[in-house]
Amino acid sequence: AQSVSQHNHHVILSEAASLELGCNYSYGGTVNLFWYVQYPGQHLQLLLKYFSGDPLVKGIKGFEAEFIKSKFSFNLRKPSVQWSDTAEYFCAVRMNSGYSTLTFGKGTMLLVSP
Amino acid sequence: DTGVSQDPRHKITKRGQNVTFRCDPISEHNRLYWYRQTLGQGPEFLTYFQNEAQLEKSRLLSDRFSAERPKGSFSTLEIQRTEQGDSAMYLCASSLGGVGGELFFGEGSRLTVL
Repeated sequence: AQSVSQHNHHVILSEAASLELGCNYSYGGTVNLFWYVQYPGQHLQLLLKYFSGDPLVKGIKGFEAEFIKSKFSFNLRKPSVQWSDTAEYFCAVRMNSGYSTLTFGKGTMLLVSP
Repeated sequence: DTGVSQDPRHKITKRGQNVTFRCDPISEHNRLYWYRQTLGQGPEFLTYFQNEAQLEKSRLLSDRFSAERPKGSFSTLEIQRTEQGDSAMYLCASSLGGVGGELFFGEGSRLTVL
C-alpha cells in the first residue's frame, strides 16, 4: 500500500524566512502529487499539484514544489513566508489509475511569527 | 457559496447512539469521497462514490459505518452504535471524473462521542 511521509510535524519560522517542507511517498508506479493547505478554521484547499511534465510546479501564493522521481519526493518551498502562511500543510499522493483516491501525509503545522 | 457543504458541522452524542452526516457536493461533480481526520493525523480515506455507485471502501469502514449516495447527488454517512474511538472530523470531498481530478473539500463534520 502506498504511504506518504512528511518529515516535520511542526515548523516555526519568522516572517521572510525561507520554507521547505519535506514529503516522501512509497509507490513505485506513476503518481499524481498534491499539496493541500488548511488555514485555521477553514477547509482544505489545493495549493498545487503535479501530474506530468516539468517537475517544478508553481502554485498559489508563491508556493512551488519539486518532484524528484529518483527520491520519491515532492518537497514544498516558498522563498519568503508571511504571517498569513500560518496553516497546516498536507502532502497527498494518488496512484495514477482510474479509481484511485488520495493518500495523505500526517501534515506539517507551520507557525510564522511576525 | 457553491462549494461542498456538510451538515451538521458539530455533533455531540453518547456512546451507543446512531449519527448521520450529510454532504452536498459541488453540483457538476460526479465523484464524492468521505475521509476521516483525527488530531495529529492527515485525512484517512473511508469510501468513494462515482455517481450513485460506491466503488471503493477502506478497511477503516467497519460494518457500523454505512454510506449512501442514492441519486448521485448528496451523500449520507451513518455511524451506528457509536464508540468513543469514532470521535473525529468527517470530511467530504467531491471531484469531476477522470484521472487527476482535484478534490474539493467541505469544512467537515466534527463528531464527539461521550
